[in-house]
Amino acid sequence: DGGITQSPKYLFRKEGQNVTLSCEQNLNHDAMYWYRQDPGQGLRLIYYSQIVNDFQKGDIAEGYSVSREKKESFPLTVTSAQKNPTAFYLCASSLERNEKLFFGSGTQLSVL
Amino acid sequence: GESVGLHLPTLSVQEGDNSIINCAYSNSASDYFIWYKQESGKGPQFIIDIRSNMDKRQGQRVTVLLNKTVKHLSLQIAATQPGDSAVYFCAEYSDTGRRALTFGSGTRLQVQP
Repeated sequence: DGGITQSPKYLFRKEGQNVTLSCEQNLNHDAMYWYRQDPGQGLRLIYYSQIVNDFQKGDIAEGYSVSREKKESFPLTVTSAQKNPTAFYLCASSLERNEKLFFGSGTQLSVL
Repeated sequence: GESVGLHLPTLSVQEGDNSIINCAYSNSASDYFIWYKQESGKGPQFIIDIRSNMDKRQGQRVTVLLNKTVKHLSLQIAATQPGDSAVYFCAEYSDTGRRALTFGSGTRLQVQP
């Protein structure tokens, strides 16, 4: 079954801790994205990558970091510099940058 | 700046009626538009898309209309069913600037039985 897998589904972060959200796709898509969604809000772009070993900041990149070492994987690290990390995080991919996005099922991050 | 917005945050319709969800966009350079459906606690699902060289596109029970003159996008759902209850987002893409989809804030569709 082709698709995008995000893990874990739920994640808890302690103060001062970095946490990493996993995103894997087997769709052979070049572009991958991370969005943040707050309750009752739309999706805001954190980072995106259009090709391996390259990525760009989105609208709210501060306090986050990413890597794109493999085509299939685009992990997101929420660092301790992100003071309000509680949100629903969505990973997506597309064949090319101007094509429809396919989304994963999301990770709910909460602060302990 | 670039933005995508929706006119109505919540839309309540009777089962079997047609639904119309509207979206305004401000970037005249946007050339690709998508509608997504999101159920609670899940990732958005693709519904239908349209490119700027078209003004109408139909899918199964859904139609998207694009009016580039007034920068307006709409999603029409025919014979709305309880399973259509969800939040609907429009998104736009421009090949200038950021080169990634920009999402609106969403409209919640409630279908009354």
